[in-house]
Amino acid sequence: VQLVESGGGLVQPGGSLRLSCATSGFTFSTYNMNWVRQAPGKGLEWVSFITTNSGLKSYASSVKGRFTISRDNAQNSLYLQMNSLRAEDTAVYFCARGDTAIDYWGQGTLVTVSS
Amino acid sequence: DIQMTQSPSTLSASVGDRVTITCRASQSISRWLAWYQQKPGKAPKLLIFTASNLESGVSLRFNGSGSGTEFTLTISSLQPDDFATYYCQQYNSYSRTFGGGTKVEI
Repeated sequence: VQLVESGGGLVQPGGSLRLSCATSGFTFSTYNMNWVRQAPGKGLEWVSFITTNSGLKSYASSVKGRFTISRDNAQNSLYLQMNSLRAEDTAVYFCARGDTAIDYWGQGTLVTVSS
Repeated sequence: DIQMTQSPSTLSASVGDRVTITCRASQSISRWLAWYQQKPGKAPKLLIFTASNLESGVSLRFNGSGSGTEFTLTISSLQPDDFATYYCQQYNSYSRTFGGGTKVEI
């Protein structure tokens, strides 16, 4: 099982960024997926969840209305569109597999929101 | 949203010690709780799921218990590789929440 995030980088406050997660080694279309983030020196924060067929999506209150999770089962990929970014969104973003508990994690991609 | 409160936030211990970490939920989550271990610069590692089920490959030193709103993670005999930060996570609903973490240090 491999989860590889990409798309992180430096962005100005108010800007947008799209994260991607390429997966392999398992049947992506049969697993619910998550995004989890970790601000520098801080704890883990769950960000978003999506079911196998994209029928249900949920978000942490801190990102609701600004972030959108999506997936492409044909491409075995997970995405996170992040708009109206704020300094407090600065974090390492992890792609994470898990219908319930999270059993596999990517290594993360760093998003820095700063002017 | 369900809030998860972990205690203590930091725990000082020695090799061979038995240590216990507590996680409390703001409302009942049945047994929908997981525990993770994280080392600096690394992704978290799943230790326990459904409150007390040991993930494959995880040492028997780790034991999870509890239900409803109160849960514990016990490490029976602390080993050098166990010094890390531990997190609980609820998945009672489609909205998940992590506890604030417990750093186990020497």
